[in-house]
Amino acid sequence: AQSVAQPEDQVNVAEGNPLTVKCTYSVSGNPYLFWYVQYPNRGLQFLLKYITGDNLVKGSYGFEAEFNKSQTSFHLKKPSALVSDSALYFCAVREAGANNLFFGTGTRLTVIP
Amino acid sequence: EAQVTQNPRYLITVTGKKLTVTCSQNMNHEYMSWYRQDPGLGLRQIYYSMNVEVTDKGDVPEGYKVSRKEKRNFPLILESPSPNQTSLYFCASSKLTGGGPYEQYFGPGTRLTVT
Repeated sequence: AQSVAQPEDQVNVAEGNPLTVKCTYSVSGNPYLFWYVQYPNRGLQFLLKYITGDNLVKGSYGFEAEFNKSQTSFHLKKPSALVSDSALYFCAVREAGANNLFFGTGTRLTVIP
Repeated sequence: EAQVTQNPRYLITVTGKKLTVTCSQNMNHEYMSWYRQDPGLGLRQIYYSMNVEVTDKGDVPEGYKVSRKEKRNFPLILESPSPNQTSLYFCASSKLTGGGPYEQYFGPGTRLTVT
């Protein structure tokens, strides 16, 4: 069965510090992995995806994520956090060959000025 | 402007009264999907559609129906809503690449309350 775990409900980080939002996944076959961000009272916005190739993928707003097959992880990172990065972040997985997606429970990121 | 629209944005209804939430996209996407978002549970997929007249169950399809008669529209139907369907609902669309959906575009959400 496919699943995604986001072990932290809340992450707090000081402005200018690096941030990491964690995600681990479980699929039978090859994973396609995604990060989305949700700002208050808005729909989700796509940030980045891993399909194949380089394990480090870069996305919107300076975010990047590293795919680690041995640890089944896809952590979201940013070198220097901004207050405007404060939002709810979702990790999602789709198994190659399948058409349904599974999302994590979300991590609320708060960047403290 | 490329977008996914949902209507209504807010809806309060009573148990058992049939309702439909509409979803429309203007990007000519093949793939459309419905999700519900609940605190502590994240987003869960209700139904998805790969193209016109092709729909399939997601993770939590019970109590919901969908139809895909036109490529741009994907309405969500609750024939007999119950209080446990109180939730925030999102419609999303994606083009199909290599046979599967990748990045999805989400609508603004519909907050449904069933009393």
